[in-house]
Amino acid sequence: SQTIHQWPATLVQPVGSPLSLECTVEGTSNPNLYWYRQAAGRGLQLLFYSVGIGQISSEVPQNLSASRPQDRQFILSSKKLLLSDSGFYLCAWSVAGGEAFFGQGTRLTVV
Amino acid sequence: GQQLNQSPQSMFIQEGEDVSMNCTSSSIFNTWLWYKQDPGEGPVLLIALYKAGELTSNGRLTAQFGITRKDSFLNISASIPSDVGIYFCAGSRGSNYKLTFGKGTLLTVNP
Repeated sequence: SQTIHQWPATLVQPVGSPLSLECTVEGTSNPNLYWYRQAAGRGLQLLFYSVGIGQISSEVPQNLSASRPQDRQFILSSKKLLLSDSGFYLCAWSVAGGEAFFGQGTRLTVV
Repeated sequence: GQQLNQSPQSMFIQEGEDVSMNCTSSSIFNTWLWYKQDPGEGPVLLIALYKAGELTSNGRLTAQFGITRKDSFLNISASIPSDVGIYFCAGSRGSNYKLTFGKGTLLTVNP
């Protein structure tokens, strides 16, 4: 069966520090991968999505970047965090045109 | 870009009442999905719909894929306190398209 792992669950980082959040998927090949941010427990803002290794689409200009070094690995990064980067980050995967499955999320607090 | 209009934004109901929420779009979708998110966790898939007119149930939940392919609704019957959470609709147009999410419906159930 397919599983998705996202870590860490919580993270407190100082302003200006780097960020690396990792997401891995098991049990499927060539999934579509997504990074979302959720503020104030409401809407899901799509940050990045990827349909294959090295293929990254950015949805909104921001202080973050994403990479897909392997088929089932998706990384969210920042060189220097801002206070406004705080939020709940969710990784997800989907089969082509089908259901998406989410990780447990990372609560990032930038202080 | 594609947008999903999800309504209502929030609902406050008494335990035992039925609930209905819906999503509409100006674009056609090939897949409609409904998710529930508990606080501090990732959204969990409730129901997936793949065919126009399809009506699918999952326990007390019933969802339908609109005939026009531009809308979907979710009904919850005989609500209970654990139904509390944020419900999201999502649509997909195909294998190379990202999922589009509605902004969510916050459901509160008073015991």
